[in-house]
Amino acid sequence: DQQVKQNSPSLSVQEGRISILNCDYTNSMFDYFLWYKKYPAEGPTFLISISSIKDKNEDGRFTVFLNKSAKHLSLHIVPSQPGDSAVYFCAASLVPGNQFYFGTGTSLTVIP
Amino acid sequence: NAGVTQTPKFRVLKTGQSMTLLCAQDMNHEYMYWYRQDPGMGLRLIHYSVGEGTTAKGEVPDGYNVSRLKKQNFLLGLESAAPSQTSVYFCASSRIQGTLTVGELFFGEGSRLTVL
Repeated sequence: DQQVKQNSPSLSVQEGRISILNCDYTNSMFDYFLWYKKYPAEGPTFLISISSIKDKNEDGRFTVFLNKSAKHLSLHIVPSQPGDSAVYFCAASLVPGNQFYFGTGTSLTVIP
Repeated sequence: NAGVTQTPKFRVLKTGQSMTLLCAQDMNHEYMYWYRQDPGMGLRLIHYSVGEGTTAKGEVPDGYNVSRLKKQNFLLGLESAAPSQTSVYFCASSRIQGTLTVGELFFGEGSRLTVL
């Protein structure tokens, strides 16, 4: 059973606007979350992470929000750029832990 | 700096054939992982290793075997390939996961396997 879910397979956003990608999880024991970005024919690359002791983490144009009570996290990209067009995966892990559980991915298209 | 390297990048097999995917990392990471990516399924963990000589099963281990004889290498084997194993395979590595923090995964470029 999928423990990490991304219910939106795709998202299109105009350049300069905000992109919001969502992720839900079912295991309340998860306490570390990560976002990965993947371009075609490449491996995923790490984007940003957040610990469960925080509810927000920022890195430049990227902000991740965590709502533990709702078991929900989101990635905000502001402003969105055409180079952000990629598939975004969220992942969750226990701490300490050896396994990362990935969502199914959301394909973001930023329209120039 | 090569990071994580996977070979081969592409392979076509017939049902019942065997093959091995090789993953090599030059970051001195302790942990290594094999994932498969399928449409609508995301990335699913096949097997992982927390150190040389140790391996463990992930979410979808059936039909695969692994070995970690050297710290820098992690091999994924298919003894008798099946069409259901057609997928893109990703190897990843990470530093030791601490008690308070999680080190991110570094991925290879992927290996596309087709089983006819």
